[in-house]
Amino acid sequence: DTGVSQDPRHKITKRGQNVTFRCDPISEHNRLYWYRQTLGQGPEFLTYFQNEAQLEKSRLLSDRFSAERPKGSFSTLEIQRTEQGDSAMYLCASSNIPSGGILGEQYFGPGTRLTVT
Amino acid sequence: AQKVTQAQTEISVVEKEDVTLDCVYETRDTTYYLFWYKQPPSGELVFLIRRNSFDEQNEISGRYSWNFQKSTSSFNFTITASQVVDSAVYFCALSESSGSARQLTFGSGTQLTVLP
Repeated sequence: DTGVSQDPRHKITKRGQNVTFRCDPISEHNRLYWYRQTLGQGPEFLTYFQNEAQLEKSRLLSDRFSAERPKGSFSTLEIQRTEQGDSAMYLCASSNIPSGGILGEQYFGPGTRLTVT
Repeated sequence: AQKVTQAQTEISVVEKEDVTLDCVYETRDTTYYLFWYKQPPSGELVFLIRRNSFDEQNEISGRYSWNFQKSTSSFNFTITASQVVDSAVYFCALSESSGSARQLTFGSGTQLTVLP
């Protein structure tokens, strides 16, 4: 049994470049979340998928950010034209809502640390 | 809108001391969930506990215990006989039942340092 995995773990890029991160959730989980965490702060919600459908996006997710979950399994988060303010840890989490609708806890991956120079 | 406040930015204790981490939340929902996560230096968030708003029973798991009080909107976390391995950032989080995302709203975290 594997947990949530993310790739790469670290990414250094120059301002203006595009970057893409990948998240592989726990296999039976139908919900996938992206969060961003800056130094000294708690994670902040970016977006959420239920299966392949992106159902909610935070106001933090500017039009330079796009996320996909094409087959309801892994997800990608792309940032276009990166800015120094995008430097943060990008966390992916997955959870499951079993029948009955009881909220399941979210399990987090190790994160991708992005540094924009 | 939901909000979680962890007023203690940093706490330092000596090994074997008990320590309580405070968490105060705000929500308009009557049904919600509260969580605690641990983030060790490696960076990965580790789930510790989930409570729903209808269950105010305190919970104990080994050296960990949680005190949920709806009257004061608090969900405090106590580590008994702390150990060096408990050193980490601890986050309290809230998830409301309204809306489909059920995303977590985190506090800013409390850095706990346990000294040998």
